[in-house]
Amino acid sequence: NAGVMQNPRHLVRRRGQEARLRCSPMKGHSHVYWYRQLPEEGLKFMVYLQKENIIDESGMPKERFSAEFPKEGPSILRIQQVVRGDSAAYFCASSQTDRDYGYTFGSGTRLTVV
Amino acid sequence: DQQVKQNSPSLSVQEGRISILNCDYTNSMFDYFLWYKKYPAEGPTFLISISSIKDKNEDGRFTVFLNKSAKHLSLHIVPSQPGDSAVYFCAAARAYFGNEKLTFGTGTRLTIIP
Repeated sequence: NAGVMQNPRHLVRRRGQEARLRCSPMKGHSHVYWYRQLPEEGLKFMVYLQKENIIDESGMPKERFSAEFPKEGPSILRIQQVVRGDSAAYFCASSQTDRDYGYTFGSGTRLTVV
Repeated sequence: DQQVKQNSPSLSVQEGRISILNCDYTNSMFDYFLWYKKYPAEGPTFLISISSIKDKNEDGRFTVFLNKSAKHLSLHIVPSQPGDSAVYFCAAARAYFGNEKLTFGTGTRLTIIP
């Protein structure tokens, strides 16, 4: 039973390009969460999704960032027109039910904007 | 506004001794608390949690204590082992309000000295 799979592990983008980060939750998990960790900081909540629905996007920057979790396929976090400040580690987590706070996290995608 | 604070960025403990990691929070709406452990280049791994209706929860070598009046929790690891060397994050949630997101502290790097 594979854990939460994130790819790519490392992603380098030039300023102005788009970044797409993918997350496949654990089998049987229908709740997905995205967190971002800036250097020397803790993880910050970005968005919580269930299949085909965004439940809470209170942590998402208002512009350039979007997330989806389609009926089929992985969850995607999309960052348009990346800037240097977007460089961070992006972690996805999944859970089987709501209020199951002991999420299982993936290994993350480290985004570097040059 | 850092609602969950881990004031010790690092801690070194002799193997076999007790490790005590501390965490303070400011938001009295938090009612569920967790500790995560993180190795380099990996995602956080859930360790142990505690609800605000309890003041202690134990799981093997790990015990979490909660002092609601002081808005303080701590993680005790005894005996400490070399494999415990990692960054430990404290996290909090507003479970009663059905809020799914976790608010993380900035982490404490624990080093176990053989």
